[in-house]
Amino acid sequence: GAGVSQSPSNKVTEKGKDVELRCDPISGHTALYWYRQSLGQGLEFLIYFQGNSAPDKSGLPSDRFSAERTGGSVSTLTIQRTQQEDSAVYLCASSPSWLTWGYTFGSGTRLTVV
Amino acid sequence: DQQVKQNSPSLSVQEGRISILNCDYTNSMFDYFLWYKKYPAEGPTFLISISSIKDKNEDGRFTVFLNKSAKHLSLHIVPSQPGDSAVYFCAAERHTGNQFYFGTGTSLTVIP
Repeated sequence: GAGVSQSPSNKVTEKGKDVELRCDPISGHTALYWYRQSLGQGLEFLIYFQGNSAPDKSGLPSDRFSAERTGGSVSTLTIQRTQQEDSAVYLCASSPSWLTWGYTFGSGTRLTVV
Repeated sequence: DQQVKQNSPSLSVQEGRISILNCDYTNSMFDYFLWYKKYPAEGPTFLISISSIKDKNEDGRFTVFLNKSAKHLSLHIVPSQPGDSAVYFCAAERHTGNQFYFGTGTSLTVIP
């Protein structure tokens, strides 16, 4: 597609349930990033994929969070046993390579844990 | 620990006037800085950037100034237009890093 696509756009889930958030990057972009924005906070880095290299998971806040990127394209961010503090907008971005600044963001998934 | 700070959560400016958005950072290793603009329900979009070897970069109505000694950068929008109303994020990166550090954003309202 022309841009970075994220689904769902909105997700309401009960505390303790697992959720999966999906990101379709721009075709050919080798770098993919997940960020989240909580109320009143800046964008918080979560995880970074570059090609077939091992992902940089240094931003994942707990072991309840994990992400995969299949075939170097689509990525799924999974949050297990969701907590209320997980409520945030989760943003995905992609870029042609890690050397290219100014990535393209998707419109985000707004996650609400009730 | 917030390494990039935008201390003004909001700013209102009359149409046609100059908008100045400010950003401070703490890490002297940052060497590339960007501004993103975000409309409601959309992802941030890249606006303008500056490398640490420069102190000014201009693109149309948008100019970014970098003061390395003060660890401060600012975005100037002249003249401001109602369509500029959005949240503006400042971001910084180290050359060897994999991620950007974002500020908390400044919501700009341009009043017609």
